[in-house]
Order: sequence, then C-alpha cells, then structure tokens
Amino acid sequence: AQKITQTQPGMFVQEKEAVTLDCTYDTSDPSYGLFWYKQPSSGEMIFLIYQGSYDQQNATEGRYSLNFQKARKSANLVISASQLGDSAMYFCAMRGDSNFGNEKLTFGTGTRLTIIP
Amino acid sequence: EAQVTQNPRYLITVTGKKLTVTCSQNMNHEYMSWYRQDPGLGLRQIYYSMNVEVTDKGDVPEGYKVSRKEKRNFPLILESPSPNQTSLYFCASSLRLAGARLVQFFGPGTRLTVL
Repeated sequence: AQKITQTQPGMFVQEKEAVTLDCTYDTSDPSYGLFWYKQPSSGEMIFLIYQGSYDQQNATEGRYSLNFQKARKSANLVISASQLGDSAMYFCAMRGDSNFGNEKLTFGTGTRLTIIP
Repeated sequence: EAQVTQNPRYLITVTGKKLTVTCSQNMNHEYMSWYRQDPGLGLRQIYYSMNVEVTDKGDVPEGYKVSRKEKRNFPLILESPSPNQTSLYFCASSLRLAGARLVQFFGPGTRLTVL
C-alpha cells in the first residue's frame, strides 16, 4: 500500500518569499513517481511537477522545484518568489509501478497556502 | 486544445434519482479514471479504465458504475445517489510526457450535492 503524508494543513507566507510544502511518502514499490498538483479556489487540479524515483536530479519547472530525498522518503515542493496567485490548495501524490496497469494516484490531504501581500 | 471535459459542472439532486456525469478527452488516451475529493481525505479513486471495455474498481467503488464503450468517453453513473455521495468529482486521463513519464491530467471537476 502507498501512503502520502502532508503535515501542514495551512501555511501563511509573505509575498515574494520562498515556500516549502512538506510531503513524505511510504511505498514498497522500487519504482514510483511523485507529483504535485495545485487546486485554486475555482476547483480545478493543475499539474505542477513530477519526480521519478530513479531520477538523479531534482525536478524543476519554472518557479517550482521538488526537493527529493529518497532515503528520507520526502518530496517537498519549493516555490520560489511566491506570488498572490500561488494562494491555493496543494496536493502531493504518488503512483507506484506495481499497480498492474492502474495509473492510480494516491493523494495526501493537502496544504492550503495563503500568500499575504 | 487538448483537454478533459466533464458535464455537468454543478449538480444538485435528490436521493435515489439516477444521474450520469460525463467525461470526455480528446487526446486518444487509453487510461481514464474517476476520483472523488472530500475535505480532509484528499482524492480517492472510484473506478478506472485501461482501455475500451476494460474497467475496474478503485478504492471507493460502492454506489457507482462506469462504462467505456468508446475511447474518448468514460461516464460515471450513480444509479441511486445518497447524501454520502455529495462530493467533488474529477475525471482524469493519462498523458505521456517526454521520457515516458505518465502524468494524469484532470477535468475541471463536478460538484455534486445529493439532498
């Protein structure tokens, strides 16, 4: 079984500061993928960034980077230079490679990020 | 534009009245899936489909049905909705990015209220 833990229900951050959203995971799969999604108040799920378990380098996408520490089973999302538009719910998710064709994502409970002007 | 669409976006209904939420994708994806989102629980998979006529249960399938008669469509059917099915529902399909990375892209969501 796979499990994602997000221990920060909510965070308040000053605009232009960097933000780290925590995510730890548990899986017995040797190969897996880790994802972050953003859910603004409008409700849609927006894909942000992906990290494969065998990737040698941490993933980056614009202002988003993933601090992947495999030994600690953590996959924290870092947002640099936060903006008001970053205020949203953020979900960490993983997909194991032993699901026999089911691309199921296991989600954490999310972190609500609020950027303060 | 590549996208996953869902209809309706909002629905209020009463207990026991059958309803269908449609999902369609225009990216020729084999894999499609339904999730429900509830406060404090994140998203949980209801059903998934690996291809036409191939469907299987996810983690919370009770009270739902699906069908996959065409590759692009994957409707979610509630035969007799109950208040505990009040939730935000997402349809997703998988896109293969560079390097064989499979990423699921989500529809806009359907907010269902069952009275």
